[in-house]
Amino acid sequence: DTEVTQTPKHLVMGMTNKKSLKCEQHMGHRAMYWYKQKAKKPPELMFVYSYEKLSINESVPSRFSPECPNSSLLNLHLHALQPEDSALYLCASSQDRRGTSNYGYTFGSGTRLTVV
Amino acid sequence: QKEVEQNSGPLSVPEGAIASLNCTYSDRGSQSFFWYRQYSGKSPELIMFIYSNGDKEDGRFTAQLNKASQYVSLLIRDSQPSDSATYLCAPNQGGKLIFGQGTELSVKP
Repeated sequence: DTEVTQTPKHLVMGMTNKKSLKCEQHMGHRAMYWYKQKAKKPPELMFVYSYEKLSINESVPSRFSPECPNSSLLNLHLHALQPEDSALYLCASSQDRRGTSNYGYTFGSGTRLTVV
Repeated sequence: QKEVEQNSGPLSVPEGAIASLNCTYSDRGSQSFFWYRQYSGKSPELIMFIYSNGDKEDGRFTAQLNKASQYVSLLIRDSQPSDSATYLCAPNQGGKLIFGQGTELSVKP
């Protein structure tokens, strides 16, 4: 299995809702990442997990809450989002944080989030 | 100053030509460099990885790295319309990928 699976593919939520994005990989990768991508912009790093521990938070607002329950699973909990948070949310994984292997980072297909 | 700079394009080349995509980066500590291709509405797909100075070839793709000049490039030979996409340069900076703005490539039949 060489895939990163993200669910749901599309999500529409109101500003008072609580929802979660899910990411799963079975490649034995020990680093997992959340990126946010707005239209016509590059992916922006939000969080990095290494060996199931949060190692980088790129000053992301607390309305985004990551969780790594085990080495294969990464969640992003969403609460009280704003319309400007609408974007493509990408999960990625790599063998380790150094990323010096030939495999680089593998991205999931993303969750298209719309906040109304 | 931006950390990773790419010409946003669009870069338009005829089918069969060589497309040349360039990237400069500011972090001298970067050790590995990735090129991703992203089709509209899709997620990024890794196409090349380079770690050492010089050239690395894989099929129609050649990545070139010059750490002294903090410059990395991607050449696509015999460009095909299916190569039309945005190409993202991403140095690994301290264990995280930092993406450039991307260069939009259009290959005309």
